[in-house]
Amino acid sequence: GQQVMQIPQYQHVQEGEDFTTYCNSSTTLSNIQWYKQRPGGHPVFLIQLVKSGEVKKQKRLTFQFGEAKKNSSLHITATQTTDVGTYFCAGPWWTNAGKSTFGDGTTLTVKP
Amino acid sequence: DAGVTQSPTHLIKTRGQQVTLRCSPKSGHDTVSWYQQALGQGPQFIFQYYEEEERQRGNFPDRFSGHQFPNYSSELNVNALLLGDSALYLCASTVGAGELFFGEGSRLTVL
Repeated sequence: GQQVMQIPQYQHVQEGEDFTTYCNSSTTLSNIQWYKQRPGGHPVFLIQLVKSGEVKKQKRLTFQFGEAKKNSSLHITATQTTDVGTYFCAGPWWTNAGKSTFGDGTTLTVKP
Repeated sequence: DAGVTQSPTHLIKTRGQQVTLRCSPKSGHDTVSWYQQALGQGPQFIFQYYEEEERQRGNFPDRFSGHQFPNYSSELNVNALLLGDSALYLCASTVGAGELFFGEGSRLTVL
């Protein structure tokens, strides 16, 4: 079936270091969304990418959508302790536009 | 403006019992989706309701059923509970294909 894979599963960084998580889909996505879930919390929407090759920035966060619309990445510059949490990508596929499938996330820990 | 609200926040059941979880969507949202999140995993899509009908369904058995009411609120019912049903159940509301707004979730423990 359709799958969304994220790597790495865990990432431990020193505060101030950069962080990148990658998301790969087995089939073409109509769009991709990124969510952040703090420990003990619920997923919170970060951004949605729709266009092939799209790049969006939110302060220290940079999101990219691949040209083939099958992969995406989230890059955080100069991590802070407030960045701690699990980052999920989620994508509906063309054939199931109403259904979002989440990856298993990348859990980021930041050492002060 | 209240966001997505879910109840109860925590509950404990025993195998074979039935459970009903409730969700009120964010104001103005007409579409409600339910997700199951096991520990250490991403949310798994259960089903989605729009205009009081199930529009999409994930790979969950018929023990999982739902309902949407005219005011857009929704219920998730799980029958014949198994130990493996222990998880955080998340409700998310949206308008069209926009971002999902999640509630705090209902944490179900099956003993």
